[in-house]
Amino acid sequence: NAGVTQTPKFQVLKTGQSMTLQCAQDMNHEYMSWYRQDPGMGLRLIHYSVGAGITDQGEVPNGYNVSRSTTEDFPLRLLSAAPSQTSVYFCASRTGESIFFGQGTRLTVV
Amino acid sequence: DQQVKQNSPSLSVQEGRISILNCDYTNSMFDYFLWYKKYPAEGPTFLISISSIKDKNEDGRFTVFLNKSAKHLSLHIVPSQPGDSAVYFCAASAFDYKLSFGAGTTVTVRA
Repeated sequence: NAGVTQTPKFQVLKTGQSMTLQCAQDMNHEYMSWYRQDPGMGLRLIHYSVGAGITDQGEVPNGYNVSRSTTEDFPLRLLSAAPSQTSVYFCASRTGESIFFGQGTRLTVV
Repeated sequence: DQQVKQNSPSLSVQEGRISILNCDYTNSMFDYFLWYKKYPAEGPTFLISISSIKDKNEDGRFTVFLNKSAKHLSLHIVPSQPGDSAVYFCAASAFDYKLSFGAGTTVTVRA
């Protein structure tokens, strides 16, 4: 039972590089979302999706893109990495009030 | 501006005693509240929740209390165990299901 799987677990990027954080869930959940966790800030919503083909912005969407071509996958793209995007990123999927988080991706932008 | 606030960044408690974690919110539209527990290098895991139509919800050693008039909720852990040492996040949602999280409280249970 994989649940929510995020890859990679760790990543170091140079300023200006782009990359995609992968997220996959095997629970057939319609609702998926991306959060970032920063010290003293808790988890902040970046983007979310209520189903395949539907995405919307969260609290801190700037610098990130998402797409939802399938129910299972919800990748997060950093278009041009900046040091301010150094954070721990969590993907989550949800059914009703039950939310499941991935193990996180620790991203450092130098 | 954070809509969910956990004003105590850390809490140290002796094993066997009660841990009380507090959370305040500002958005009166929030109608569902959750607590998550997070160990290092892992994602948050759901602990307990409460709907705004209730003022108390209990699950084993964990009880959440909601005071809507004060926009305040608390999590009680009784008795505290070493495995409870973790970061605890309070979260709230309104009808749109988007979660707003507090900054977290790090609980350390001393033997």
